[in-house]
Amino acid sequence: DIQLTQSPSFVSASVGDRVTMTCRASQSLDGRFAWYQQKPGEAPKLLIYYISTLQSGVPSRFSGGGSGTDFTLTINGLQPEDFATYYCQQANNFPWTFGRGTKVEIK
Amino acid sequence: EVQLVESGGTWVQPGGSLRLSCEGSGFTFGSFSLNWVRQAPGHGPEWVSYISERDATTYYTDSVKGRFTIFRDNAKNSVFLQMNSLREEDTAVYYCVRDHHWSLDHWGQGTLVTVSS
Repeated sequence: DIQLTQSPSFVSASVGDRVTMTCRASQSLDGRFAWYQQKPGEAPKLLIYYISTLQSGVPSRFSGGGSGTDFTLTINGLQPEDFATYYCQQANNFPWTFGRGTKVEIK
Repeated sequence: EVQLVESGGTWVQPGGSLRLSCEGSGFTFGSFSLNWVRQAPGHGPEWVSYISERDATTYYTDSVKGRFTIFRDNAKNSVFLQMNSLREEDTAVYYCVRDHHWSLDHWGQGTLVTVSS
């Protein structure tokens, strides 16, 4: 199974900050890689797919990048509604797997 | 508007069985692969099972192989998860999720399965 390791586990940030989180895969991925946002009591929400393609309706302050085994999610200009937990996910091979999450907290 | 509505979650004793249902609307149901993803309390999401849109090819995470079965009825816009030999570690909110571009683009509201004696 492909393991996904997210870092950091927690980020303390302020409104307006630029926040970058990473996800490292245990083997190289072919592009089937996505990021999700989850708020308490809600289902996860797709933000980015195919590493860097923004899902419809997602603000442009979110961006994804990377290749091979190393991927990033960046939020440019953190907004109050962005405080949440973010998960990476791969669909390169079955079983599909998720990282353990990065929680973005208010400083 | 794309909607996925799960039902069937409840409390069940270890070793018991349960069938979850998910009805989709707002899209051409038979043209999309579907998944079940679960989330245990305080944990991240865990992918459970996948079924393709046409030939009903299926995949499962190792911990449920031989116990869970995913199937679909495109005429009823529905996908199901038959869960047998349930264990306490199967306790979670189960989400029905649409697959698009190899990502999980639309999620239901989830249904809670509690396995406990």
